Amino acid sequence: RKEVEQDPGPFNVPEGATVAFNCTYSNSASQSFFWYRQDCRKEPKLLMSVYSSGNEDGRFTAQLNRASQYISLLIRDSKLSDSATYLCVVIDSNYQLIWGAGTKLIIKP
Amino acid sequence: GAGVSQSPSNKVTEKGKDVELRCDPISGHTALYWYRQSLGQGLEFLIYFQGNSAPDKSGLPSDRFSAERTGGSVSTLTIQRTQQEDSAVYLCASSSSTGLVYTFGSGTRLTVV
Repeated sequence: RKEVEQDPGPFNVPEGATVAFNCTYSNSASQSFFWYRQDCRKEPKLLMSVYSSGNEDGRFTAQLNRASQYISLLIRDSKLSDSATYLCVVIDSNYQLIWGAGTKLIIKP
Repeated sequence: GAGVSQSPSNKVTEKGKDVELRCDPISGHTALYWYRQSLGQGLEFLIYFQGNSAPDKSGLPSDRFSAERTGGSVSTLTIQRTQQEDSAVYLCASSSSTGLVYTFGSGTRLTVV
């Protein structure tokens, strides 16, 4: 089992729809969690951190479920510009970054 | 600097030649990671530095790969006797401390012909 798993997609979603991704992690001692976004042929860029209480940034909501060991990302009112690959990152108890392979999102007009 | 700087941005080299990739992290950042990413693939961990030491070299694919970091700042990744399978984008990321947000450089796109 991979340490961090994501559905690779692609998710094909019409503009304006709501889309949700999950990411599961295997190490229960993992400490910090992030979502990164990567556009085609670009470097990954931080989208948002994920806190236990859940956090929201505009159309984006991230949540952490420690009991079930997954994090989620919800995108509301999706835009064409949201098309990208979304990478889940977990920092384990040894401060190592563990990356998911990413979920590809395609927003269609 | 304002961000993580990597050079060169693009490198085309002949099979069998050695290449050196450079990463200049954000000033004061102590943690530095090297990753590589093949087209359409996820990030592959190569090596991690905390200061000048490398606690985790487990991701280096072969003994042709080596990396060093001096002065707790600039890091170089060296690939000897390059092979075609080494073609990828090599990404560097740094952080002010472990466990915090990492910022990526824009990468070096290596093509071995």
